[in-house]
Amino acid sequence: GAGVSQSPSNKVTEKGKDVELRCDPISGHTALYWYRQSLGQGLEFLIYFQGNSAPDKSGLPSDRFSAERTGGSVSTLTIQRTQQEDSAVYLCASSLILAGGQNTDTQYFGPGTRLTVL
Amino acid sequence: SQKIEQNSEALNIQEGKTATLTCNYTNYSPAYLQWYRQDPGRGPVFLLLIRENEKEKRKERLKVTFDTTLKQSLFHITASQPADSATYLCALVQDDKIIFGKGTRLHILP
Repeated sequence: GAGVSQSPSNKVTEKGKDVELRCDPISGHTALYWYRQSLGQGLEFLIYFQGNSAPDKSGLPSDRFSAERTGGSVSTLTIQRTQQEDSAVYLCASSLILAGGQNTDTQYFGPGTRLTVL
Repeated sequence: SQKIEQNSEALNIQEGKTATLTCNYTNYSPAYLQWYRQDPGRGPVFLLLIRENEKEKRKERLKVTFDTTLKQSLFHITASQPADSATYLCALVQDDKIIFGKGTRLHILP
């Protein structure tokens, strides 16, 4: 498909378990973003990748959260020892970085992964 | 730090009228502002981008304005339709960071 895809679409886990969320960006999009959206809240920025490197990790809420991106494409967001407050929709977005490094910043979002921690 | 404020209350507009949504920011003017639409259970979809040196941008029935003096962007939907009902998010881009507002829910009443 041409859009951003995420898996799983829904994840229910028990408190204390680790979870891994996956994002497949649009082919050719160098920039990749992770956000968290809680019920009735805005998008909370988590982390930004440019290629495989993450110049901005400022949004990760704790050291239980980590993300990686390999091959400049697929990214995984891992939450260790999940807590109930981690319950939210996790959204991934990608954007095109043009030649010369100019990021258009128009973001294309995936459908999100709804995480529920019991 | 920069904050974005959007009306948290839902906006109800009669079909055919113009809907106007407001986005205010608190600090320095961003390089540009974006507006997104989000339907329930889906990720946001990009609608329009306006740069700080542009006063107005149009796309079909959509119009966005950007007033750096008032630190405000207005988003207008003319000839509104029930299908326009959604949550609309404002986002600003500054120093390679993108900050989203919480969004305003818009209901177009038939």
